[in-house]
Amino acid sequence: DTGVSQNPRHKITKRGQNVTFRCDPISEHNRLYWYRQTLGQGPEFLTYFQNEAQLEKSRLLSDRFSAERPKGSFSTLEIQRTEQGDSAMYLCASGEGHEQYFGPGTRLTVT
Amino acid sequence: AQSVTQPDIHITVSEGASLELRCNYSYGATPYLFWYVQSPGQGLQLLLKYFSGDTLVQGIKGFEAEFKRSQSSFNLRKPSVHWSDAAEYFCAVGGDNRDDKIIFGKGTRLHILP
Repeated sequence: DTGVSQNPRHKITKRGQNVTFRCDPISEHNRLYWYRQTLGQGPEFLTYFQNEAQLEKSRLLSDRFSAERPKGSFSTLEIQRTEQGDSAMYLCASGEGHEQYFGPGTRLTVT
Repeated sequence: AQSVTQPDIHITVSEGASLELRCNYSYGATPYLFWYVQSPGQGLQLLLKYFSGDTLVQGIKGFEAEFKRSQSSFNLRKPSVHWSDAAEYFCAVGGDNRDDKIIFGKGTRLHILP
């Protein structure tokens, strides 16, 4: 297993468009996390899955954001009607025990 | 609520010099503490972690960190830095529930002088 993968690595979109990101976790991990990182900040928690169940959502996750993990394997994060403030790096992590292993991230630029 | 403070936004050291990056946390119970490193274009890599036991923990790449409960600190150290250590370093805290999210500090960017 090669670790957590995320696609695409970069996404440029126009304001108002919808975007979807994919995360493939380490295969034996049943916990999956999404974080957002803006310039000059540390990653901020967005949401968390245990298998296919979404167990926690941050207040940062507005109703334009939706995340799924339909079969408890890969996960998608969709942002509808993107705004310039959504420009950030979106990080996915999968977990075992107390450790989380991060993917390379998807950098979103909203123009 | 959990929080992490990294008081230094930027640190510059000469190659071969020693390094200490500061981290203070706020958490009501015994915290789970982490240091991650992020190089340009790379994902976050776990350097080391503290859960319990020996308060001096060893990590990868020659890094170590010391947990001091009385000071609510978890400072990262390296005796001799290499140019390849230039990166952003994040201190983070997690709760005692293994499902807990990790709360990150804002990071310290390390610059290395040749």
